[in-house]
Amino acid sequence: GAVVSQHPSWVICKSGTSVKIECRSLDFQATTMFWYRQFPKQSLMLMATSNEGSKATYEQGVEKDKFLINHASLTLSTLTVTSAHPEDSSFYICSARSLRGLAAMGTQYFGPGTRLTVL
Amino acid sequence: GQQLNQSPQSMFIQEGEDVSMNCTSSSIFNTWLWYKQDPGEGPVLLIALYKAGELTSNGRLTAQFGITRKDSFLNISASIPSDVGIYFCAGGSNSGGSNYKLTFGKGTLLTVNP
Repeated sequence: GAVVSQHPSWVICKSGTSVKIECRSLDFQATTMFWYRQFPKQSLMLMATSNEGSKATYEQGVEKDKFLINHASLTLSTLTVTSAHPEDSSFYICSARSLRGLAAMGTQYFGPGTRLTVL
Repeated sequence: GQQLNQSPQSMFIQEGEDVSMNCTSSSIFNTWLWYKQDPGEGPVLLIALYKAGELTSNGRLTAQFGITRKDSFLNISASIPSDVGIYFCAGGSNSGGSNYKLTFGKGTLLTVNP
């Protein structure tokens, strides 16, 4: 299947700092990328959807100025958590989807996740 | 918004037993996907279903897209210890459009006793 990577796999930062998480589709062009967060023992919650070359669409309740998303190319999306606070500590997972190329149409593939801990 | 009811929440079975879990919704979905998530990892796609009534197998796994497009089930036959994990169903809407998004069930935690 299609491969999606994330970097870093875990990060610890001080409150007030910003953290950038990268998501890459390694063997297909991702026309759409998604960012989720997951709290312990809970399901995935969609934060935002980004289509290559356009602004991200944020889900209700997600602050777009706090969670900056950039999808500058068909293989890379970044999520920047600005001025992070302890309540932002979570497991962040990206996902990619393609309507062309190697990935099956409409199927969504997930990265391995990034564990963010804000002290 | 759309919601999925996934059941059971958890299962404790003996190695070799068969497992069945399902998801239902009050809304229609265009696709159904089943994922497995291990601790500290992202979800891994197990089976993708694109047509109502579709029955698809992947090794010991079998999943079906309900004919009403509001439900799906996943069966695991002859379970083994490495089947342990959380299984999520996900329904996709507007699969061909820019508004496409997945709605996830709450997950089924599977424990297999050797």
